[in-house]
Amino acid sequence: QSALTQPASVSGSPGQSITVSCAGTTNDVGGYNLVSWYQQHPGTVPKLIIYENNKRPSGVSNRFSGSKSGNRASLTISGLQADDEADYYCSSYGGSSFPYVFGTGTKVTVL
Amino acid sequence: QVQLTQSGAEVKKPGSSVKVSCKASGGTLNIYSISWVRQGPGQGLEWMGGFNPMFGAATYSQKFQGRVTIIADESTSTVNMEMSSLTFDDTAMYYCVREGSSWTFDHWGQGSLVTVSS
Repeated sequence: QSALTQPASVSGSPGQSITVSCAGTTNDVGGYNLVSWYQQHPGTVPKLIIYENNKRPSGVSNRFSGSKSGNRASLTISGLQADDEADYYCSSYGGSSFPYVFGTGTKVTVL
Repeated sequence: QVQLTQSGAEVKKPGSSVKVSCKASGGTLNIYSISWVRQGPGQGLEWMGGFNPMFGAATYSQKFQGRVTIIADESTSTVNMEMSSLTFDDTAMYYCVREGSSWTFDHWGQGSLVTVSS
């Protein structure tokens, strides 16, 4: 199973909106509505911010939103803030033999 | 609120084995699955395998099949991950994670750094 493909880096100015893409295949992203996103600040453990393509766990800011179309998922961060500067990873269910497929990761920089 | 507490950092020689433990508190192991995810220095996340108490067995990523063993001890609420034939490429942070609903990881251990060095 190959990793999902994400851009290495995305940047934006405070207050702007940015989108991080996550490309997979029909065996993972396209085959299930089970894409999740994780935020990881330097030196900390990842934190779940989106599940089931577009749902937010309790306590996660509504500035984070997710979507999926075909084999591609996206994470949008609106009203970009300094604290949003972190690494972001998508993940998808990949079937019973390989249930967890992660993306390559995207470094979000706030200019 | 479940908490996952992992064992400390390890330094191992190439070809040796390492065991990392993960103790759950605030809940019991027999009601949720635990996976292991690793992250190399400056690298992304990689699922290694996980233990499902419903089946009483572990499943593994093909990449680690035969080299990694995940065993749960429900009496001590601990899940152990043992990896053999270590190489320099196995230097990484190893996380135990609780599998939440909808195939997510909703609780993470603090991580255990394994360094393979000659």
